[in-house]
Amino acid sequence: KAGVTQTPRYLIKTRGQQVTLSCSPISGHRSVSWYQQTPGQGLQFLFEYFSETQRNKGNFPGRFSGRQFSNSRSEMNVSTLELGDSALYLCASSLIGQSRSYEQYFGPGTRLTVT
Amino acid sequence: GQNIDQPTEMTATEGAIVQINCTYQTSGFNGLFWYQQHAGEAPTFLSYNVLDGLEEKGRFSSFLSRSKGYSYLLLKELQMKDSASYLCAGGSNDYKLSFGAGTTVTVRA
Repeated sequence: KAGVTQTPRYLIKTRGQQVTLSCSPISGHRSVSWYQQTPGQGLQFLFEYFSETQRNKGNFPGRFSGRQFSNSRSEMNVSTLELGDSALYLCASSLIGQSRSYEQYFGPGTRLTVT
Repeated sequence: GQNIDQPTEMTATEGAIVQINCTYQTSGFNGLFWYQQHAGEAPTFLSYNVLDGLEEKGRFSSFLSRSKGYSYLLLKELQMKDSASYLCAGGSNDYKLSFGAGTTVTVRA
């Protein structure tokens, strides 16, 4: 079974631009979560989607948004990029996540560098 | 909200045992996860505890005490490849995992 895939793997953008990252979950997984990982802050929760609905959102500004499609693939968008957005963005999928947390499987991440 | 605390670094010798402690304060607690992350790689799932007690998986064991808000990950017979960051994460009923900052374990020969 294929794992979680994320595209692109590496991205360099300049301040003020916007970026869209993509995540394809493991087949059959309907819950997709996004995280930002930086050396200073560790793994920070961005949002979680299940059946095209955002069920929870972390403490990030409105510049960070996401969506999920009917095939469970998910995208996240960051508008008006700032230098501090440079990070590893990880996507994780899980099997259910309806009434309980379940183990999440992480993709390899997208390394975003903002210059 | 969630508050997860774990030590920043630990060093141990090959073949030894290391215990990584994690304390948590979680509303709507729904299980405690441990992940391993090697430098430059994505986190990989190690264990999940939702009930009190010890779960053993080969060289790795994880313990949970819900009344104390405490968990630990025990790594036995340490190998050089166990050098990594170990992340403690609390699950909650609002469908999110809150991660600690991670404990970097260095295994020395």
